[in-house]
Amino acid sequence: QVELVQSGAAVAMPGASVKVSCKASGYSFSSNFMHWLRQAPGQGLEWMGLINIIAGSTTYAQQFQGRLTVTRDTSTSTVYMELGRLGFNDTAVYYCARDAVGTVDYFDYWGQGALVTVSS
Amino acid sequence: DVQMTQSPSTLSASVGDSVTITCRASESIGTWLVWYQQKIGKVPKLLIYRASTLESGVPSRFSGSGSGTQFTLTISSLQPDDFATYYCQQYLNYPLTFGGGTKVEIK
Repeated sequence: QVELVQSGAAVAMPGASVKVSCKASGYSFSSNFMHWLRQAPGQGLEWMGLINIIAGSTTYAQQFQGRLTVTRDTSTSTVYMELGRLGFNDTAVYYCARDAVGTVDYFDYWGQGALVTVSS
Repeated sequence: DVQMTQSPSTLSASVGDSVTITCRASESIGTWLVWYQQKIGKVPKLLIYRASTLESGVPSRFSGSGSGTQFTLTISSLQPDDFATYYCQQYLNYPLTFGGGTKVEIK
């Protein structure tokens, strides 16, 4: 069965970076784009960006350009999301989510989420 | 960016009721719209894609309609398991954007 397992909760200082991992299993890793989204406490969903697993190419939402880096390791079927220059409003649950049919840009499987808390 | 606006933000209903949630796009998105259900503390669940196609395993009491800029999600005969927050999302272009959510609560 498809499973996306994310790394655990993290606390980071303002101005620092955080890196979250997402290990995929149960399907052909290269067949589907992987997306990253986040959800601030009590708020809605926000799409951050995606990675084409085969090509390694990425597309990011404009608001994260320059401080978001998504990478993948095909040898371990793992995708990484690194967000830099953290501010307090980056406190959120960060999700990886699999593209439902490969490249359609909606999501059928989600990681369990990783709470990132930005605190001084 | 395509702005997605959902209404209402909160909806109170009883078991057995039929409820309708509306999602409006700031520009035409054809039928490139999905609906998700999210329960507290859980990840979103895909309900409907291409505006009206039911995802496998989703009960038939859920239905979606619309095209262009106006879309609806209808739940006929609300069940206890349906009390949750519902989000629409457009996938016509990047950035992918979501509505603000509609919380369906028990009356």
